[in-house]
Amino acid sequence: EVQLLESGGGLVQPGESLRLSCAASGFSFRDYAMAWVRQAPGKGLEWVSVIRDSGRTFYATFVEGRFTISRDNSKNTMYLQINSLRAEDTAVYYCVKTAPYGTGWYGKNDLWGQGTLVTVSS
Amino acid sequence: DDQLTQSPSSLSAFVGDRVTITCRASQNIDTYLNWYQQKPGKAPKLLIYAASSLHSGVPSRFSGSGSGTEFALTINTLQPEDFATYYCQQSCRTPITFGQGTRLEIQ
Repeated sequence: EVQLLESGGGLVQPGESLRLSCAASGFSFRDYAMAWVRQAPGKGLEWVSVIRDSGRTFYATFVEGRFTISRDNSKNTMYLQINSLRAEDTAVYYCVKTAPYGTGWYGKNDLWGQGTLVTVSS
Repeated sequence: DDQLTQSPSSLSAFVGDRVTITCRASQNIDTYLNWYQQKPGKAPKLLIYAASSLHSGVPSRFSGSGSGTEFALTINTLQPEDFATYYCQQSCRTPITFGQGTRLEIQ
């Protein structure tokens, strides 16, 4: 079955760190760029980061160096390390697969995980 | 960053209506525009990609149009299951960005 399964969310205190994981199955993980999208409670979708099949990474402007995306193709797993967590990082974090079209390498997000909730509170 | 502005932010409609949601980009994004549907408590689902291509399994009452900076998502003959929040997304350049969303409510 083609799916993405996130884990690693939970309740953390401001200033702490967290590592989210995304386990992929059912497709050739190493061939696709993978990304993270988050959604704060009651708010819209916010793109966070992407890692290409080559390993090159890109981040949203708000990241300010606190987030690091990585992947382990041998484990079909993507990660998101978040440091110096803030209350405004409270959100459901979705793992998403990309699928290119045209001459664009990112294309569309055609597969989403169920999300993992990160709550930052003292 | 490329800004995407959706309008309206919310709208009410009846089952059977035809509705159109627009998405305006702050810069030319060619046809690198996608549309997603999200229902409460669920992950978003891809509806339309490349501005006008229907994703596999999506009903044909959904259609997309536009290029450059002006885009539209049209839903013909609204069904009860179509009441949800819709987002546009540009994938022309990083950082990838989403519109703020349009909440479609049943009237």
